[in-house]
Amino acid sequence: QKEVEQDPGPLSVPEGAIVSLNCTYSNSAFQYFMWYRQYSRKGPELLMYTYSSGNKEDGRFTAQVDKSSKYISLFIRDSQPSDSATYLCAMSGSNYGQNFVFGPGTRLSVLP
Amino acid sequence: DAGVIQSPRHEVTEMGQEVTLRCKPISGHNSLFWYRQTMMRGLELLIYFNNNVPIDDSGMPEDRFSAKMPNASFSTLKIQPSEPRDSAVYFCASTYRGGNGYTFGSGTRLTVV
Repeated sequence: QKEVEQDPGPLSVPEGAIVSLNCTYSNSAFQYFMWYRQYSRKGPELLMYTYSSGNKEDGRFTAQVDKSSKYISLFIRDSQPSDSATYLCAMSGSNYGQNFVFGPGTRLSVLP
Repeated sequence: DAGVIQSPRHEVTEMGQEVTLRCKPISGHNSLFWYRQTMMRGLELLIYFNNNVPIDDSGMPEDRFSAKMPNASFSTLKIQPSEPRDSAVYFCASTYRGGNGYTFGSGTRLTVV
């Protein structure tokens, strides 16, 4: 079992839909979680950064962490064609001096 | 800030040649990471440095790969000799104490023929 798992997709949704992207993990020590968006032929860019369990909202994006289930989610409201990208989750047990483990990514396509 | 700067953006080389990839992290960041990304294996950590010191190089695939960080503003990843299976996009990322996540460069797309 890989340390961090994501459905690779592709996930296709119509413009305006609510998108749910998810990651599961096996290491109960993880408590710092990130979501990255990567456009084709570009480097990943940080979308959301959360600590421990709970929700965090930023505009159309909401990150949820459920440590008891070892499950994290990223919701995108009112999805736009410009949201079409690969979304990677990443997590770590420490905020300092420790590598974040990345999931393989989910490819999202928002159709106009 | 100009962000994390990588060079070259693209590199095409023949098998057996030496390849050197370069990275300039964001000023003030004290951790630097080298990743490799392929369709098959996703984003893989090769090596990371804290305060210019290599902390974990367990992801470096073979002795053909080496990385250095002679100072806080520069790092290199060298492949010698290169092989076709090294073809991938290589990313450099930096952070300050992990806070606010990593900032990635635009990557170097390496093709070994």
